[in-house]
Amino acid sequence: GESVGLHLPTLSVQEGDNSIINCAYSNSASDYFIWYKQESGKGPQFIIDIRSNMDKRQGQRVTVLLNKTVKHLSLQIAATQPGDSAVYFCAENGSGGSNYKLTFGKGTLLTVNP
Amino acid sequence: NAGVTQTPKFRVLKTGQSMTLLCAQDMNHEYMYWYRQDPGMGLRLIHYSVGEGTTAKGEVPDGYNVSRLKKQNFLLGLESAAPSQTSVYFCASSYGLGRGDYGYTFGSGTRLTVV
Repeated sequence: GESVGLHLPTLSVQEGDNSIINCAYSNSASDYFIWYKQESGKGPQFIIDIRSNMDKRQGQRVTVLLNKTVKHLSLQIAATQPGDSAVYFCAENGSGGSNYKLTFGKGTLLTVNP
Repeated sequence: NAGVTQTPKFRVLKTGQSMTLLCAQDMNHEYMYWYRQDPGMGLRLIHYSVGEGTTAKGEVPDGYNVSRLKKQNFLLGLESAAPSQTSVYFCASSYGLGRGDYGYTFGSGTRLTVV
């Protein structure tokens, strides 16, 4: 049968540029969203989160934007560095409210060229 | 704090063999989860636990069993390994949604190959 390759969306940027990674979610009841970073051979690492009562939240060099109208989430990384090269996942809490289970997107591979 | 520790890091099994993956967390988290990660499939939830002594099925539970006898430990068992269970397994824990910044904390993964 056909082998399953790593068919991730990819984004390649130059060091120092800003990066924007996008994520579409499907469940309109989701009210909590998280971005994770996964470096090769490691587990996912929490980057930043946002609740549905916000449309923007900033962290250190990262900004998350939430557009509930079109169910879209984005992660902006300022002044991208080689150490930012990784797979980035968005996650949502699905049914909202007290749901403690996260549903993860398939990820985007970010490559930063020196 | 060590965070979430998974053992072993790598394992090769023959079809039909059984094994147990151990996950330990030292953050006093109530909730623990087991995910598998396959190329192009993202992270899929196998089983989870909302507290000591409780377990529940996730998205892909068949062929796996779990136990949460102690709050800090969450064990994942493969009863009779199959090649389709070749994957990278991640354990995660959390306080539970609704308490501040509550993203999951993940372990570093167990790479399992079934031949």
